[in-house]
Amino acid sequence: DADVTQTPRNRITKTGKRIMLECSQTKGHDRMYWYRQDPGLGLRLIYYSFDVKDINKGEISDGYSVSRQAQAKFSLSLESAIPNQTALYFCATSEGLAGHNEQFFGPGTRLTVL
Amino acid sequence: RKEVEQDPGPFNVPEGATVAFNCTYSNSASQSFFWYRQDCRKEPKLLMSVYSSGNEDGRFTAQLNRASQYISLLIRDSKLSDSATYLCVVEGSGDSSYKLIFGSGTRLLVRP
Repeated sequence: DADVTQTPRNRITKTGKRIMLECSQTKGHDRMYWYRQDPGLGLRLIYYSFDVKDINKGEISDGYSVSRQAQAKFSLSLESAIPNQTALYFCATSEGLAGHNEQFFGPGTRLTVL
Repeated sequence: RKEVEQDPGPFNVPEGATVAFNCTYSNSASQSFFWYRQDCRKEPKLLMSVYSSGNEDGRFTAQLNRASQYISLLIRDSKLSDSATYLCVVEGSGDSSYKLIFGSGTRLLVRP
């Protein structure tokens, strides 16, 4: 079984709809992250969490919100989706120990906003 | 200037070739560095960490030059399965040490 899972894997929605993307991990890591990837722009950090109920904004948090109610789960919400939020979304986890900051990614959610 | 810069490629090489990718980073205080591999429409996967002394893992060799703020990845005896995008990744420093900064990637195509 995959260590980091994301649901749904693909989603098509309309402008103005509320969307939630879910991430679960079995790695036992404290730190979790949400990124989006657009062609030619690389991965950009949306939000991150170091522990349950700890929430921090990344570089592009506007239009997004997150929830961390359990160590293993980190959900991303788009309150009112817009077309420029069409992207590939990745969840990631890390141990957060000094010298062990490698991040491990889920398989991604491809979101299309019409 | 971008925090992490890579040549986007693509590098188109025959099987068996040796290919090298370079990456520069802007934050001289960064302490940890990585190479990730990403296949089309898939998640990035850690290929290797980059240590100050340089390190090797099979056909892959990573090197770090702190003075020039430069990281390299060498792939020897290229295989068709090496075709992918290679992401140079640099850890932030200080209050941003939790953060990984991703380059946009270098695309490699290995042809038969």
